[in-house]
Amino acid sequence: DIQMTQSPSSLSASVGDRVTITCRASQGISNYLAWFQQKPGKAPKSLIYAASSLQSGVPSKFSGSGSGTDFTLTISSLQPEDFATYYCQQYNSYPVTFGGGTKVEIK
Amino acid sequence: EVQLVESGGGLVQPGRSLRLSCTASGFTFGDYAMSWFRQAPGKGLEWVGFIRSKAYGGTTEYAASVKGRFTISRDDSKSIAYLQMNSLKTEDTAVYYCTRAAGAESRVDYWGQGTLVTVSS
Repeated sequence: DIQMTQSPSSLSASVGDRVTITCRASQGISNYLAWFQQKPGKAPKSLIYAASSLQSGVPSKFSGSGSGTDFTLTISSLQPEDFATYYCQQYNSYPVTFGGGTKVEIK
Repeated sequence: EVQLVESGGGLVQPGRSLRLSCTASGFTFGDYAMSWFRQAPGKGLEWVGFIRSKAYGGTTEYAASVKGRFTISRDDSKSIAYLQMNSLKTEDTAVYYCTRAAGAESRVDYWGQGTLVTVSS
């Protein structure tokens, strides 16, 4: 199975900050990497697919990059509604696997 | 508007069975693969399994933790995906989500709201 390692597991940031989350795959996954946002008690929401493509309706403050084994999610200017847990996911091969999540909290 | 609504969750004893349904609307259900995921209380996301569209054979894939116990099926005439869960264990306790899988690579784009399954005696 492909292991996905996210870092950091949590971070504290202020409104307006630029935030970057990283995700590393245990083997190459090309660009078959997605990012999801989950708020407490809610279903996840799809943000990015194919490492850097924005899902329809997702604001452009979210961006993704990377290929192979190393990927990043960047939020350009953190807003109150962005405080949540973020997960990366590889869908290059079965089983589909997730990173452990990054909780973004208010400083 | 794409909508996915899960139902069928609840409290069940270990060893028993439960069937979840995912009713879809707002898109041509038969054109898409569907996936199931779960999230145990306070834990991260876990992939459960996947069913391809009929155009790709309608075949399925499963996580090792559920293979042989869980079965995913679909009824395109009703726009419903099912997750049949047999021989349930306490560690199957989780919120179960169905998702639409788009594109040839079957990436997840839409999620349902989830349904809670609690396995306990």
